[in-house]
Amino acid sequence: ETGVTQTPRHLVMGMTNKKSLKCEQHLGHNAMYWYKQSAKKPLELMFVYNFKEQTENNSVPSRFSPECPNSSHLFLHLHTLQPEDSALYLCASSQDKGQGTSYEQYFGPGTRLTVT
Amino acid sequence: EDKVVQSPLSLVVHEGDTVTLNCSYEVTNFRSLLWYKQEKKAPTFLFMLTSSGIEKKSGRLSSILDKKELFSILNITATQTGDSAIYLCAGHGQNFVFGPGTRLSVLP
Repeated sequence: ETGVTQTPRHLVMGMTNKKSLKCEQHLGHNAMYWYKQSAKKPLELMFVYNFKEQTENNSVPSRFSPECPNSSHLFLHLHTLQPEDSALYLCASSQDKGQGTSYEQYFGPGTRLTVT
Repeated sequence: EDKVVQSPLSLVVHEGDTVTLNCSYEVTNFRSLLWYKQEKKAPTFLFMLTSSGIEKKSGRLSSILDKKELFSILNITATQTGDSAIYLCAGHGQNFVFGPGTRLSVLP
């Protein structure tokens, strides 16, 4: 496997279900991100992990719970979601070289989530 | 609040045309401006721009940054149907802020 992988690629869940999205990066990066992409809206940053520490939580509802057990893996645990949470969830990784520098992100293929 | 605006939001051209996509940004502690291409799912990286006036080029694609006017453009010359995609612009400051994208459709 190369790059950034995400599973599952498609997920349909009811509002009372609990599910998890998984992301794995094979690039040796130290930062990982969750984004939400809804139709006709910009990519919304949800969470950032840097060296396994959460550094950003962009006012995301508590029904979304991230977990980063190591620098290669990132999970997004979902519970009691709402229909408006239906979207494409993208994971990305990057090599953060510190303040003042910049770097590109590499994205996974995304998980298309439908909440019924 | 950091903001990235792109124009046009949608563009339809014919093969062989040249297109210019626009991106303006307001990003605190600005580090770079990035361009991505999104076809089916994952955005793929195109360019990262940190300095004004220096053109980045890759084949038929090129991009330039104006840090005084807080503006960047992405040019695509001799467009092909394979260029059809959403082109995303992102500002990197404290974090990454994405614009809404420009949906480009290239007709044969």
